[in-house]
Amino acid sequence: GQQLNQSPQSMFIQEGEDVSMNCTSSSIFNTWLWYKQDPGEGPVLLIALYKAGELTSNGRLTAQFGITRKDSFLNISASIPSDVGIYFCAGRHGSSNTGKLIFGQGTTLQVKP
Amino acid sequence: EAQVTQNPRYLITVTGKKLTVTCSQNMNHEYMSWYRQDPGLGLRQIYYSMNVEVTDKGDVPEGYKVSRKEKRNFPLILESPSPNQTSLYFCASTPRAFSGRVADNEQFFGPGTRLTVL
Repeated sequence: GQQLNQSPQSMFIQEGEDVSMNCTSSSIFNTWLWYKQDPGEGPVLLIALYKAGELTSNGRLTAQFGITRKDSFLNISASIPSDVGIYFCAGRHGSSNTGKLIFGQGTTLQVKP
Repeated sequence: EAQVTQNPRYLITVTGKKLTVTCSQNMNHEYMSWYRQDPGLGLRQIYYSMNVEVTDKGDVPEGYKVSRKEKRNFPLILESPSPNQTSLYFCASTPRAFSGRVADNEQFFGPGTRLTVL
């Protein structure tokens, strides 16, 4: 099955730094979602995007739906230790009305206090 | 409390011994789904269900079965488990099968079931 290409695979940063990660696909999506997974728990939805070019914020997090509808990025500003976890992008195809989601491989974020 | 529950949380079994992982949600959600999470591969969808008695294959359905006889329950069945099914499994539910409303896209995940097949 198709997968999204998510990068980077992992990041180790200093507290206070900004973080950027992205996802790309070979096909068009009509929905992009970003999730965070804390250690030992299931993923939690952070941001949902529905329109090409859409830019949405959730506190220190900002995500954008790429103009081509084949990519999305997530930025975290002024990182703090509790930002540690795995971040996943997920997308739904434009032609799909089944609700099927495709996930990226995840970006593991570690923050050094 | 609104939640998705999975049981068991941890399971070690042997090849070929049938097992069932249960999933239940108390939010009256229509859409439920099973994923497996493997290092470097992210979350891959096994099966999903749009509503009662409506199920369909995800990306990696081989070796798994599901049923949706009641809205709240969506068990995952491994008829003859094999070592390559060793993984972390997540059940998730969503109010509807994804719409333009943000609330409908809130996918609630269970706590996960770590399965080891020897």
